[in-house]
Amino acid sequence: EIVLTQSPGTLSLSPGERVTLSCRASQNVNVHNFAWHQQKPGQPPRLLVYGTSFRATGIPDRFIGSGSGTDFILTITRLEPEDFALYFCHQYFTSPFTFGPGTKIDVK
Amino acid sequence: QVHLQQSGPGLVKPSETLSLTCSVFGGSINDYHWTWIRQSAVKGLEWIGRIFVHGDTNYNPSLMSRVTMSVDTSKNQLSLKLTSVTAADTAVYYCAKKDGDGWGPGILVTVSS
Repeated sequence: EIVLTQSPGTLSLSPGERVTLSCRASQNVNVHNFAWHQQKPGQPPRLLVYGTSFRATGIPDRFIGSGSGTDFILTITRLEPEDFALYFCHQYFTSPFTFGPGTKIDVK
Repeated sequence: QVHLQQSGPGLVKPSETLSLTCSVFGGSINDYHWTWIRQSAVKGLEWIGRIFVHGDTNYNPSLMSRVTMSVDTSKNQLSLKLTSVTAADTAVYYCAKKDGDGWGPGILVTVSS
């Protein structure tokens, strides 16, 4: 099983700041099979980025995914108030597909 | 745009079978494969498995002996059954389009007597 490790666990930031979220996989993941999801309290996760770098429908261009191999990054170029949430990385390359434990972005 | 609606009991007794349904609106169930995922405070997000409309399935090995997924194309619905449940199966259960491209609202299932 591919284990995904996210860092940091929590970030305390202010609106307008740039943020970089990291996800490291225990084995190589094909770039076509890597995603990021956002979750807000009481809501299901929402797909942000798939195939490492492709934004899902309706996702603003301040969300930028990158990476390859075992190291993947989600960058939010300028935090908006609605971006304070929990972010999960996800590999759907090798079964069983797995998720990271999440990085929470909260208000400083 | 595809919209998912989930239904099923919120409380299941230990050793019994958890049964959930996910209805697909705004699109044909034949157009995609479908995934079940659960989320708990202990395990976080856990992939249960996925089903293709021609019937092929991939299950998480940790649950494989207890899971059955099915699709009813006439009703545009997919179903999840998990047998012999224990408290460890308490979670919010989600259905999702493809590998997470659109999630259902989730349904909290508690296993308790």
